[in-house]
Amino acid sequence: DTGVSQNPRHKITKRGQNVTFRCDPISEHNRLYWYRQTLGQGPEFLTYFQNEAQLEKSRLLSDRFSAERPKGSFSTLEIQRTEQGDSAMYLCASSLSPTRGGNTIYFGEGSWLTVV
Amino acid sequence: DQQVKQNSPSLSVQEGRISILNCDYTNSMFDYFLWYKKYPAEGPTFLISISSIKDKNEDGRFTVFLNKSAKHLSLHIVPSQPGDSAVYFCAASARVNSGYSTLTFGKGTMLLVSP
Repeated sequence: DTGVSQNPRHKITKRGQNVTFRCDPISEHNRLYWYRQTLGQGPEFLTYFQNEAQLEKSRLLSDRFSAERPKGSFSTLEIQRTEQGDSAMYLCASSLSPTRGGNTIYFGEGSWLTVV
Repeated sequence: DQQVKQNSPSLSVQEGRISILNCDYTNSMFDYFLWYKKYPAEGPTFLISISSIKDKNEDGRFTVFLNKSAKHLSLHIVPSQPGDSAVYFCAASARVNSGYSTLTFGKGTMLLVSP
């Protein structure tokens, strides 16, 4: 399977704990995105990387959230001191950069977070 | 401020008939539009896209129409099949200096195709 891979697929954690999600993009894609989706909403942009550089962050990304893509390949999204409002599906996606013809982003299957 | 709006939360269609899903946008800078399909507990799957230089794009049973003056696009599925039952998201992006902006999504329309 050469699609976007995310793990873990499901995570239940207690409020106040830290969680980390990993994303492996499609191998030739140099852009990687994180989105969040809650019930009844469409995916909401959090942040994206081009190679290892984090180029944009949404104001949804509070200081408890941090994303990294250290070698320009896989990425991690860490949420510190989780709150119940963090419960959502966290979606990773990847694409080629527009200069390489990438206008379409491809999503992984998502990581469900439940904070209890 | 919802820049991409899908005003119908749900749509029910009989198998074999046409499904028409609608999407409106407010940002006149948007010039690339996509439709994604999502099953429960899975990530969105890309279906079809259209650039603002076109008014129609077709891929098998799926056709997207774009009316720039009305800031409206629609997805037609003909014929509809029970396996098409899913949530459909409309998304848009704008051309910026670095290429295209990140995608802005609507809230989705749940399509139910009954046998």
